[in-house]
Amino acid sequence: GDSVTQMEGPVTLSEEAFLTINCTYTATGYPSLFWYVQYPGEGLQLLLKATKADDKGSNKGFEATYRKETTSFHLEKGSVQVSDSAVYFCALRLMNRDDKIIFGKGTRLHILP
Amino acid sequence: GAGVSQSPSNKVTEKGKDVELRCDPISGHTALYWYRQRLGQGLEFLIYFQGNSAPDKSGLPSDRFSAERTGESVSTLTIQRTQQEDSAVYLCASSQFGTDPSFGPGTRLTVL
Repeated sequence: GDSVTQMEGPVTLSEEAFLTINCTYTATGYPSLFWYVQYPGEGLQLLLKATKADDKGSNKGFEATYRKETTSFHLEKGSVQVSDSAVYFCALRLMNRDDKIIFGKGTRLHILP
Repeated sequence: GAGVSQSPSNKVTEKGKDVELRCDPISGHTALYWYRQRLGQGLEFLIYFQGNSAPDKSGLPSDRFSAERTGESVSTLTIQRTQQEDSAVYLCASSQFGTDPSFGPGTRLTVL
């Protein structure tokens, strides 16, 4: 079935380090791909998205590229900040009759000053 | 404009009681989703409504869970005979086909 697999956390980095959070997916058809972020005590927010192969989504210094050949959508940031500490969720949306959104289990990120 | 709202924001109940959680989607959004997030866990899909189509109930964990939605309006998620393992944050989201889903702030349910 359709699914999203992302690296397990927690991930702990020092400020200004390079970040990669891996995400791979299994889906029938051509899904749209998303990264959502949940800051401590807050609701889920859309961070970035890509709707077709080779698209790059970007926001707040984060980037992810839709790789159809490797069925991946890895999240990257060149220099993380303490304020990036949050839980990050990779998700896919099946743009078909069902239009279901499927989430990964989330990766908790801790950035140390 | 107004976003997705959920009520109550917090609910504490005793084991065995029934609870109702409410979601008000964004006006005009045909799709509505319910998810459950247990402490430290990911988002678990519960149920999905799309317009007047039959809902996708494949994520409901047991027959104690049910949800209703009339047309494109409010949805209620009902949990009967609550158990401690039902303690979680219940998230609702709505979307229009082709638009990004917007999430509500969630209802934190604690079953004592």
